[in-house]
Amino acid sequence: DTGVSQNPRHKITKRGQNVTFRCDPISEHNRLYWYRQTLGQGPEFLTYFQNEAQLEKSRLLSDRFSAERPKGSFSTLEIQRTEQGDSAMYLCASSLLQGGFSQYFGPGTRLLVL
Amino acid sequence: AQKITQTQPGMFVQEKEAVTLDCTYDTSDQSYGLFWYKQPSSGEMIFLIYQGSYDEQNATEGRYSLNFQKARKSANLVISASQLGDSAMYFCAMREERTVWAGNNRKLIWGLGTSLAVNP
Repeated sequence: DTGVSQNPRHKITKRGQNVTFRCDPISEHNRLYWYRQTLGQGPEFLTYFQNEAQLEKSRLLSDRFSAERPKGSFSTLEIQRTEQGDSAMYLCASSLLQGGFSQYFGPGTRLLVL
Repeated sequence: AQKITQTQPGMFVQEKEAVTLDCTYDTSDQSYGLFWYKQPSSGEMIFLIYQGSYDEQNATEGRYSLNFQKARKSANLVISASQLGDSAMYFCAMREERTVWAGNNRKLIWGLGTSLAVNP
């Protein structure tokens, strides 16, 4: 399978714990995006990378959130000291830098903070 | 600021009939792209169709077509011959494309979505 993959698919954690999600993009895609989607809403942009450089961060991304893409391939999104309001679907997408029109999405990671 | 509006929270359609899902957008950019994605209950976002702001022809992809009316700032999705598997959430999204130095792929701005139910 050469699509975008995300792990884990589901995560249940207690408030105050740290969690880390992983995204593996389509191999030749330069750009990688993170979005958050809460129930009944459309996705909201969090951040994106071009290769290993983080080019833009949304103000939604508080200090408790950090994202990395150390070698320009897979990316991790870490949430420290989780809060109940962090419960959401975290979507990863990848795209080519030029020419490709679409961002291709992974299956998402559903986070539930108790 | 860019904004996407989908005014239909839920829609029903009979199997084999056509359905139109509405999307209006607001932007001051001259160059932008409009997208439709399908999200089944499994959660994955599936790309359906793309329309560039300078494209003169309406985009079509199989049973999907995009009714693009630039002056009205609308980009409605038309699904012909609905199938039971079309039941899902449908999202309209927009991307600015004016910044050549940064490449064509920038963040997507999304609407709230429309839930489509196809009845047998």
